[in-house]
Amino acid sequence: EVQLVQSGAEVKKAGESLKISCKGSGYSFTTHWIGWVRQMPGKGLEWMGIIYPGDSDTRYSPSFQGQVTISADKSISTAYLQWSSLKASDTALYYCARDYRLDYWGQGTQVTVSS
Amino acid sequence: EIVLTQSPGTLSLSPGERATLSCRASQSVTNNYLTWYQQKPGQAPRLLMYGASSRATGIPDRFSGSGSGTDFTLTISRLEPEDFAVYYCQQYGSSRGTFGQGTRLEIK
Repeated sequence: EVQLVQSGAEVKKAGESLKISCKGSGYSFTTHWIGWVRQMPGKGLEWMGIIYPGDSDTRYSPSFQGQVTISADKSISTAYLQWSSLKASDTALYYCARDYRLDYWGQGTQVTVSS
Repeated sequence: EIVLTQSPGTLSLSPGERATLSCRASQSVTNNYLTWYQQKPGQAPRLLMYGASSRATGIPDRFSGSGSGTDFTLTISRLEPEDFAVYYCQQYGSSRGTFGQGTRLEIK
């Protein structure tokens, strides 16, 4: 069974750094892309970026380029989304999902940033 | 970047009725790489359709997708109570995906 399990909710202050994770199981992690999607409170879905764990090829949406870093550690089947300096506007629910068609989704990680 | 525009923003229908949701792209979607998702409150989105017209695993056949190029449609032939939710389209034909803003399907 394909599963993506994300790390737990985070509460941070503006200016702090953060790295959240997404662990894949039940399939070949290195041969499927992992994408990240943001959902701000009460809003729609936003495509942030995607990584191919096999060779770490990474593509970012122009809206998120330079704002976040996507990475992966194929030895532990885990992808990451990280911020070097959080803003209050980063408060959102973040999902990981498999492949460009986003066929399997994680449960989401709530990130709350206070100013 | 390809912009997707969904219409209507909100659709009010009754169980048993037919729902037609539209997704229009600002430029042609390569290989009709377009997906549809359903999202219910407090849940992650669920993939319904991929490649514009292929149903994902376990999706009932009352859901169908059609269209090509820049105009795509999701049709729910006969609404069940559990179908009332928010629906999103997404294109993945370019190296960077984009979502539409969503259509809320509500009970009339």
